[in-house]
Amino acid sequence: AQRVTQPEKLLSVFKGAPVELKCNYSYSGSPELFWYVQYSRQRLQLLLRHISRESIKGFTADLNKGETSFHLKKPFAQEEDSAMYYCGTSYGKLTFGQGTILTVHP
Amino acid sequence: KAGVTQTPRYLIKTRGQQVTLSCSPISGHRSVSWYQQTPGQGLQFLFEYFSETQRNKGNFPGRFSGRQFSNSRSEMNVSTLELGDSALYLCASRIGQVYAEAFFGQGTRLTVV
Repeated sequence: AQRVTQPEKLLSVFKGAPVELKCNYSYSGSPELFWYVQYSRQRLQLLLRHISRESIKGFTADLNKGETSFHLKKPFAQEEDSAMYYCGTSYGKLTFGQGTILTVHP
Repeated sequence: KAGVTQTPRYLIKTRGQQVTLSCSPISGHRSVSWYQQTPGQGLQFLFEYFSETQRNKGNFPGRFSGRQFSNSRSEMNVSTLELGDSALYLCASRIGQVYAEAFFGQGTRLTVV
């Protein structure tokens, strides 16, 4: 069964600092991995997906099949990045980790 | 185009009652998934419907059920409500089941008293 783990429930950084949100998955096939973000009072929305290999709002995520990880990174965090982030995998059903609340302090 | 619409936005129910939540997906989307979001458990998968058939189910008791209509609209029902069912219930629609982006509704906030 597919499973996603986000080990950090809370993550705090200062503006301008690098940030990395961890995500590990377990799936025997070829997973499709996503990061979704939920800003305050907004809908959950797609941030990026591994097949597109693009950078959105300065965030990147690389699929590491050896470590079964899909960590989300940004070199210089901004206050507007403060949000709840969910890592998800999709093959059939879309399953998410428990989420990480990122707070970027001024 | 219109996004995913969930009704009602807020509900207060008493323990033991039942509740029905509604989700209208984006036009053309045939997959609808339901999630329970709580601060302690995050986003937990309830079930997914595709073309009126339940295709996947999460680890929730049988009190949680759903259905999908021919126009892809979906309803979720919770019977014999418990205090622990208080949560934000999210619906997501996808155009297909595999490798498709999910679009979420704003959710229904259910409070059980």
